[in-house]
Amino acid sequence: AQSVTQLGSHVSVSEGALVLLRCNYSSSVPPYLFWYVQYPNQGLQLLLKYTSAATLVKGINGFEAEFKKSETSFHLTKPSAHMSDAAEYFCAVSDRNAGNMLTFGGGTRLMVKP
Amino acid sequence: EPEVTQTPSHQVTQMGQEVILRCVPISNHLYFYWYRQILGQKVEFLVSFYNNEISEKSEIFDDQFSVERPDGSNFTLKIRSTKLEDSAMYFCASRPGARNNEQFFGPGTRLTVL
Repeated sequence: AQSVTQLGSHVSVSEGALVLLRCNYSSSVPPYLFWYVQYPNQGLQLLLKYTSAATLVKGINGFEAEFKKSETSFHLTKPSAHMSDAAEYFCAVSDRNAGNMLTFGGGTRLMVKP
Repeated sequence: EPEVTQTPSHQVTQMGQEVILRCVPISNHLYFYWYRQILGQKVEFLVSFYNNEISEKSEIFDDQFSVERPDGSNFTLKIRSTKLEDSAMYFCASRPGARNNEQFFGPGTRLTVL
């Protein structure tokens, strides 16, 4: 069975500061990994995904994540936070079969202070 | 840009009533999913649907739940006799095909069972 743990249900950073949202997973087979963002009253939007190509993955809005197999981690980073980054962020894992159901972490709410 | 749509955005119902949540996936996508998020909890997988049949379902998806793709465009989730604990945000998602593992999410339907 797969599981995802996101450390920190709430993270607060100042505008311009580094954003680091943590995600650790457990999976019996090499997984696909995803980060989704949810803005208020909207659906889940894909930020980036890892599917076994480069371990450093770049996504939209300046976000990137690095897959570290030895640490079973897929942390999300952005060098400089913007006010518009305030949202809920979800890490998710799926296995590599055709069904690809997603298992989500608990989410991290990012707050950006001016 | 094509997007997944869901109706209604908010549904209020009495316990024991049947509800149908509607989704229009992105045209030419082949895989369809329902997820739910109880307030304050993780996004949870309910069911996946491919080639007009359920391909995977979770323990949550018991006999009270059913899915249907009645007309080649809509994808519905029916709850036969709603319980208080069915109150949640329900997300529909669709995926292009076996080689593309990105799921595109709708904005969700908030179901409130009184």
